[in-house]
Amino acid sequence: NAGVTQTPKFQVLKTGQSMTLQCAQDMNHEYMSWYRQDPGMGLRLIHYSVGAGITDQGEVPNGYNVSRSTTEDFPLRLLSAAPSQTSVYFCASKIMTGSPDTQYFGPGTRLTVL
Amino acid sequence: ILNVEQSPQSLHVQEGDSTNFTCSFPSSNFYALHWYRWETAKSPEALFVMTLNGDEKKKGRISATLNTKEGYSYLYIKGSQPEDSATYLCAFMSTNAGKSTFGDGTTLTVKP
Repeated sequence: NAGVTQTPKFQVLKTGQSMTLQCAQDMNHEYMSWYRQDPGMGLRLIHYSVGAGITDQGEVPNGYNVSRSTTEDFPLRLLSAAPSQTSVYFCASKIMTGSPDTQYFGPGTRLTVL
Repeated sequence: ILNVEQSPQSLHVQEGDSTNFTCSFPSSNFYALHWYRWETAKSPEALFVMTLNGDEKKKGRISATLNTKEGYSYLYIKGSQPEDSATYLCAFMSTNAGKSTFGDGTTLTVKP
């Protein structure tokens, strides 16, 4: 199993550009989530999904869209990038939404918005 | 937004020292508490899942305890080694939701 994969690893955008961060998992996990990590702070939840076709907002959803058309994939779209979205983005998954199990994290995408 | 706090924010110890950190979380609607270890330039990796009041978990020199009634968990590292240097995150899950709320982490630096 590859686990949770994310692409790209690094990205530089100009203000106003849009892009999609890709996330995929091959463990047949039901629950997937996106976090951002800023200096001195922990992980803040952007959006999450409890299954294919179902998504919901986390703590900091503004400026981001998600979709979950398959169990495996959970892309994060930045609609119009802003410097405040400069961050490291982590995708994570766990086997079932209601399970107390921990999440598996991808390697992260480091995004800089100029 | 749930309040999950970790203290201290950072800690510098000498090799061989024992240390501990705290994670505070809401004492109501408790479902699970997770500890993760996060090394620089890597992704967080799970250390412990704790679900019952009074739980104690151990992995090598690292152990954790849980008090759900008062809303805190302690992580202990016995005889710290340089390879223990990392950020330790806790994450709280409530019964109301499947999602987790993370603390800001405690960054441990162990000097040889």
